[in-house]
Amino acid sequence: QKEVEQNSGPLSVPEGAIASLNCTYSDRGSQSFFWYRQYSGKSPELIMSIYSNGDKEDGRFTAQLNKASQYVSLLIRDSQPSDSATYLCAVIKAAGNKLTFGGGTRVLVKP
Amino acid sequence: NAGVMQNPRHLVRRRGQEARLRCSPMKGHSHVYWYRQLPEEGLKFMVYLQKENIIDESGMPKERFSAEFPKEGPSILRIQQVVRGDSAAYFCASSREGRSTDTQYFGPGTRLTVL
Repeated sequence: QKEVEQNSGPLSVPEGAIASLNCTYSDRGSQSFFWYRQYSGKSPELIMSIYSNGDKEDGRFTAQLNKASQYVSLLIRDSQPSDSATYLCAVIKAAGNKLTFGGGTRVLVKP
Repeated sequence: NAGVMQNPRHLVRRRGQEARLRCSPMKGHSHVYWYRQLPEEGLKFMVYLQKENIIDESGMPKERFSAEFPKEGPSILRIQQVVRGDSAAYFCASSREGRSTDTQYFGPGTRLTVL
């Protein structure tokens, strides 16, 4: 079992729709969770961070964390073609501060 | 406000040569992390350093790879006797402190190609 799992996609959504991305993790003691966006050939860029159960909203993005289910998700509202990228879920385990990444979900927003 | 800087952005080496990758953290950041992204694979942690100290090198290959973050100057990831399997994008990230809640900001990466 991978430490952080994501559906590789591609997740195809029409412009203006909601994109829903999911991520599960195996270490129950994980305490910090991040969503990064990576355009092809570029470096990861932080979208959201979340540390406690519940929802966290920032503009068109909402992160949801459920530690009991070891599940974190990202919603992108009013998807735009510029949102087309690979979205990386990353987790920091209980001990340490290194990021453990999932394989990423590729999102394609079609005009 | 300059972000994380990495150079070179592209590096081509022949098998058996040495590769030196440099990373300057964001201003005010004293924690540096190196990650590697192999073609069609995810990002993998390699090493975490503070000034003059290696804190966690659990992701570093046992041979040929080394890293340092001297008191003055950038952090350096060194790969000796490169092989084709070392071809990858190498990203450096930095954070202000070493807490698990600190955001790690990534540099543009160095794309290493081994011929």
